[in-house]
Amino acid sequence: EVQLVESGGGLVQPGRSLKLSCLASGFTFSNYGMNWIRQAPGKGLEWVASISSSSSYIYYADTVKGRFTISRDNAKNTLYLQMTSLRSEDTALYYCARRVYPGTPFDYWGQGVMVTVSS
Amino acid sequence: DVQMTQSPYNLAASPGESVSINCKASKSISKYLAWYQQKPGKANKLLIYDGSTLQSGIPSRFSGSGSGTDFTLTIRSLEPEDFGLYYCQQHNEYPFTFGSGTKLEIK
Repeated sequence: EVQLVESGGGLVQPGRSLKLSCLASGFTFSNYGMNWIRQAPGKGLEWVASISSSSSYIYYADTVKGRFTISRDNAKNTLYLQMTSLRSEDTALYYCARRVYPGTPFDYWGQGVMVTVSS
Repeated sequence: DVQMTQSPYNLAASPGESVSINCKASKSISKYLAWYQQKPGKANKLLIYDGSTLQSGIPSRFSGSGSGTDFTLTIRSLEPEDFGLYYCQQHNEYPFTFGSGTKLEIK
């Protein structure tokens, strides 16, 4: 069974940093592109970042470019999102999601981890 | 960026009825449109991709149609478990973009 479990969220002050993790199981992690998508409270879904299976290709939304870094460790079956210079508008539920290959949608999602940026 | 306009915002229907949700892209995305269901406490579920391809394990009462800029999700013979939030998403190009969502409620 495919499972994606996010962790590392919490309450953080504006301007500080936080690192999210997503532990994958039930599939060969190194064969899949991985993604972060977020959802602000009461709002819709916003794609944040994508990384290819071998980390060769990385893409970011303009709203996080230069502040967030997506990475992965295929030996540990884990996806990461390093978030720096956090702003109140980064407050959201952060999901990790899998893609089979470029051009395909997100076929499995985690349940999300909450990040709250507030003083 | 491709803007996705989803309608209606809210939809109320009774079990057994059929409903349709629309999604319009600001430019052609060929067939690359996905539909997701979101329910509290559950992982988001992929229903349809490539406009009309049913994801494995999804009941056949769900169907998708359209190409280019205009797409529709149809749910026939609504079941109680179908009520929730639905989102469209273009998976043609970066940045991936989502519609604003449709809340399907029990009438």
